Amino acid sequence: DTGVSQDPRHKITKRGQNVTFRCDPISEHNRLYWYRQTLGQGPEFLTYFQNEAQLEKSRLLSDRFSAERPKGSFSTLEIQRTEQGDSAMYLCASSLGGQVSGANVLTFGAGSRLTVL
Amino acid sequence: AQSVSQHNHHVILSEAASLELGCNYSYGGTVNLFWYVQYPGQHLQLLLKYFSGDPLVKGIKGFEAEFIKSKFSFNLRKPSVQWSDTAEYFCAVIASGSARQLTFGSGTQLTVLP
Repeated sequence: DTGVSQDPRHKITKRGQNVTFRCDPISEHNRLYWYRQTLGQGPEFLTYFQNEAQLEKSRLLSDRFSAERPKGSFSTLEIQRTEQGDSAMYLCASSLGGQVSGANVLTFGAGSRLTVL
Repeated sequence: AQSVSQHNHHVILSEAASLELGCNYSYGGTVNLFWYVQYPGQHLQLLLKYFSGDPLVKGIKGFEAEFIKSKFSFNLRKPSVQWSDTAEYFCAVIASGSARQLTFGSGTQLTVLP
């Protein structure tokens, strides 16, 4: 596996339901990021992990959002009580920590598109 | 906090035309700069990056970008575009040495007419 994998690629749900997305980063990368992208906009940062520690969360990440990376490998992003405004592409990225240049080069997955009806 | 501005939202060119996409950032310290590209139906891919040294950086597929510190700019260029360059292009910035968030511009949709 040479890339960042995300699952599912597309999720359609009804307002009020919970959804969970999974991200498998590049295996040697210890940093993992979640971004959200809406139509016509660039990706917006949501949260970031180094190994299993969640080191930063954006103010965009409301209480209904939770992310975990329990063993420092894959990560999940859960959205509880979804709202129509949550409809977006949720992107996962990973990078190699410990080296200044490599640490800042993010490799993105294909994304998980959420549609809330 | 850093921010990125991409002034061109949609650019339409004919094949073989020259391309320049503008990118300006705001941040007072040393930065790392990136251009990512998203081809239709595909994921974001790194086009080129600047960390330090020569301010003119070359990326894949004949693209280059020039970092002008005094203008806080990192414009993307290509001397002759191809139909296959049709994509959305995103400029991004992060504080150098930081593990914090990569901040993206809103993107420029490039359409190349055959």
